[in-house]
Amino acid sequence: TQLLEQSPQFLSIQEGENLTVYCNSSSVFSSLQWYRQEPGEGPVLLVTVVTGGEVKKLKRLTFQFGDARKDSSLHITAAQPGDTGLYLCAGDTGGGADGLTFGKGTHLIIQP
Amino acid sequence: DAGVIQSPRHEVTEMGQEVTLRCKPISGHNSLFWYRQTMMRGLELLIYFNNNVPIDDSGMPEDRFSAKMPNASFSTLKIQPSEPRDSAVYFCASSSGTGWASKYFGPGTRLTVT
Repeated sequence: TQLLEQSPQFLSIQEGENLTVYCNSSSVFSSLQWYRQEPGEGPVLLVTVVTGGEVKKLKRLTFQFGDARKDSSLHITAAQPGDTGLYLCAGDTGGGADGLTFGKGTHLIIQP
Repeated sequence: DAGVIQSPRHEVTEMGQEVTLRCKPISGHNSLFWYRQTMMRGLELLIYFNNNVPIDDSGMPEDRFSAKMPNASFSTLKIQPSEPRDSAVYFCASSSGTGWASKYFGPGTRLTVT
């Protein structure tokens, strides 16, 4: 059973378009993180959200944590080829130095 | 800052051989994590250490896998004997603090078992 479901699995769009990817679960998370991973490299943390309903912006990226802290979305405005990569969400179900539970990710390709 | 260092970056070995993956966490970080990534299963936590002590190894697939952290600056993940289904990218990550503290991943070791 996949604890975190990410959708879509694959997305290919043209440069300049907007897009939203989703991360959903039936579990409640104390925090949720979004990572971006490029080929041949490890995931790199983009943002952490901890409060239900929280919205964080990182330049053209907008992250939202659901009110019930079970889901999250990532919206990219005016996508650029440099946004290409695997976007992973990861949830923390408790305190302590716990290992995160990752979704399988959304493979995003931005075509010039 | 050198970041998390992993070696080797690539490993090709034959079924039945012993494989040892190495990780040097970021200096000052007190938590270290080993993950495995495959297309089918995504990124899975294998084991994590806090202050060099294994805290949760429930993700280790079976007894063929073992991990050690003899000191704060070094950890190993060993597979003995290796099998083709162990082929994956293995990541080490470190963090400081607790809970949702930022995790920093290494570049990974791509393991191929033939």
